Amino acid sequence: GESVGLHLPTLSVQEGDNSIINCAYSNSASDYFIWYKQESGKGPQFIIDIRSNMDKRQGQRVTVLLNKTVKHLSLQIAATQPGDSAVYFCAENNNAGNMLTFGGGTRLMVKP
Amino acid sequence: GAVVSQHPSRVICKSGTSVKIECRSLDFQATTMFWYRQFPKKSLMLMATSNEGSKATYEQGVEKDKFLINHASLTLSTLTVTSAHPEDSSFYICSATQGRGSGAFFGQGTRLTVV
Repeated sequence: GESVGLHLPTLSVQEGDNSIINCAYSNSASDYFIWYKQESGKGPQFIIDIRSNMDKRQGQRVTVLLNKTVKHLSLQIAATQPGDSAVYFCAENNNAGNMLTFGGGTRLMVKP
Repeated sequence: GAVVSQHPSRVICKSGTSVKIECRSLDFQATTMFWYRQFPKKSLMLMATSNEGSKATYEQGVEKDKFLINHASLTLSTLTVTSAHPEDSSFYICSATQGRGSGAFFGQGTRLTVV
């Protein structure tokens, strides 16, 4: 049968450069956001999260920025490495329920 | 972080047979579990949401009689693909969450091939 689902946009970066992956969300009631990394043939892995009372959160080599005014979320990866090559998904959890809504995802390709 | 175990990771079955995929939350009680399907190089597609002890809520276009979901306990949900056909071949992923305001943790995924 015909494949369905959103086709993933691709971001290609040079090894060592910083990567920025963007995500727009639509529900202004969303109060919790997560970034996931999915490597080929594996399930998504939690990377970093942020609650709506914050606008920035830093992890190891990763930073998530939240702009509630324009409903925009970004993931910054510092000094991108080949092992960072994967598909990255953002997800939002609105305070009205228990549902995580996923963005379409971005494929990150790291060039050596 | 929390661990979700999905089994099997890979299965090949004959057309017409049924396949059961298990999703277990190993170190937390999952009030809600989700089942996704993913085609190559495409995004996750939510199939259904299941809450422990109640019937699953299926997304539009997903046949509930084809994809049977059972969430018998707070740590186990199963997806059974009944009378499988080659077009059911796909990557199936489960996730589990502890509740509102918490994140979801994913299983490793199951690669189903129907021959």
